[in-house]
Amino acid sequence: EVQLLESGGGLVQPGGSLRLSCAASGFTFSNYAMSWVRQAPGKGLEWVSRITGSGGSTYYADSVKGRFTVSRDNSKNTLYLQMNSLRAEDTAVYYCARDRLWGSVDYFDCWGQGTLVTVSS
Amino acid sequence: QSVLTQPPSVSGAPGQRVTISCTGNSSNIGARYDVHWYQQLPGTAPKLLIFGITNRPSGVPDRFSGSTSGTSASLAISGLQAEDEADYYCQSYDSSLSGWVFGGGTKLTVL
Repeated sequence: EVQLLESGGGLVQPGGSLRLSCAASGFTFSNYAMSWVRQAPGKGLEWVSRITGSGGSTYYADSVKGRFTVSRDNSKNTLYLQMNSLRAEDTAVYYCARDRLWGSVDYFDCWGQGTLVTVSS
Repeated sequence: QSVLTQPPSVSGAPGQRVTISCTGNSSNIGARYDVHWYQQLPGTAPKLLIFGITNRPSGVPDRFSGSTSGTSASLAISGLQAEDEADYYCQSYDSSLSGWVFGGGTKLTVL
């Protein structure tokens, strides 16, 4: 059974840093690109970042470019999101999701349960 | 403000058919990028509902179907059931943003 388990969320002050982790199991982790998607309280979904299976290519939404860094350790089946210079508007539940390529656009076929990040003083 | 526009809410009685629209532009749906749909039940993570416009993952009933036309996509739900009450999101890719994009979401209420 495919499982994704996020951790590392919490309360952080504006300007602070946090690292999220996503532990994967039930599939060959290195064969899949992975993404982070966030959801602010009461709001919709926002794609944040994507990393290819090898880790060789990364992609970011404009809203986090230059502040967030996605990485992975395929030997540990774990995805990471390093978040720096955090702002109040980064407050959200952060989900990791497995990417599947279909035609021209990836879709996200498996999701973790999410971890809440709150940026507040 | 999402680049893919969905109605904030739709509703229908049990057994009825409802449709949820997802309107984009020439940089996303109009550029023939695929559209996918997700269902998010209250308090849970999103779940893949439709991929590649019309395909359903195993376990998703055929009451759910998708389509596209021009710069828009639609999700149709027939034979509405109480368990369908949830938020629904469309997703595609936007070439001007160089990133994956979601619609703002539509809350379905079963009356």
